[in-house]
Amino acid sequence: GAVVSQHPSWVICKSGTSVKIECRSLDFQATTMFWYRQFPKQSLMLMATSNEGSKATYEQGVEKDKFLINHASLTLSTLTVTSAHPEDSSFYICSASFVGGGPIDTQYFGPGTRLTVL
Amino acid sequence: SQQGEEDPQALSIQEGENATMNCSYKTSINNLQWYRQNSGRGLVHLILIRSNEREKHSGRLRVTLDTSKKSSSLLITASRAADTASYFCATDTDKLIFGTGTRLQVFP
Repeated sequence: GAVVSQHPSWVICKSGTSVKIECRSLDFQATTMFWYRQFPKQSLMLMATSNEGSKATYEQGVEKDKFLINHASLTLSTLTVTSAHPEDSSFYICSASFVGGGPIDTQYFGPGTRLTVL
Repeated sequence: SQQGEEDPQALSIQEGENATMNCSYKTSINNLQWYRQNSGRGLVHLILIRSNEREKHSGRLRVTLDTSKKSSSLLITASRAADTASYFCATDTDKLIFGTGTRLQVFP
């Protein structure tokens, strides 16, 4: 149980285009979803936290107009990288948590999406 | 930066040996978690230890927590080649703050 999927698993796009990444909780309703970014051989950095039906809370230094997050339902959150540039190339990972999901504050992670901007 | 530090950054051992990874953090925490990440993949939750616990076991994993020193360790006993991965600690206050990670290589 508690499976999180991401789509696509990898994407290559041209500089200046927008890319949408989906994060779905497959067998549970996620009250909260999180988006992380991971550069090669580095750790995960939290970008934003979103609760269903409300605006996402962005971490300091993360441009909310560039990284649009929509959490329209309890099973789906999307991250749109607008006007992508090569420096946005990274591994984007989402996670989801839900009340009663196990040990306190357990987050269930998706498999990640590798974005390459040419 | 609130990010925790892990050491060693990289560790290479032979199958059957034990692997110990350490994590230090900076702030008070609710709990500390350890995750595993295979190359280019998502994270797998390994174990959670609460701030009022000192040691926890799960299979071949043993985690300790010393809140006075703001440090934790993950011990993998009798390692296997399949344990090759990156391991991250993550402290939980109101959000998860990940450590820098340890890349473990287990040679058959």
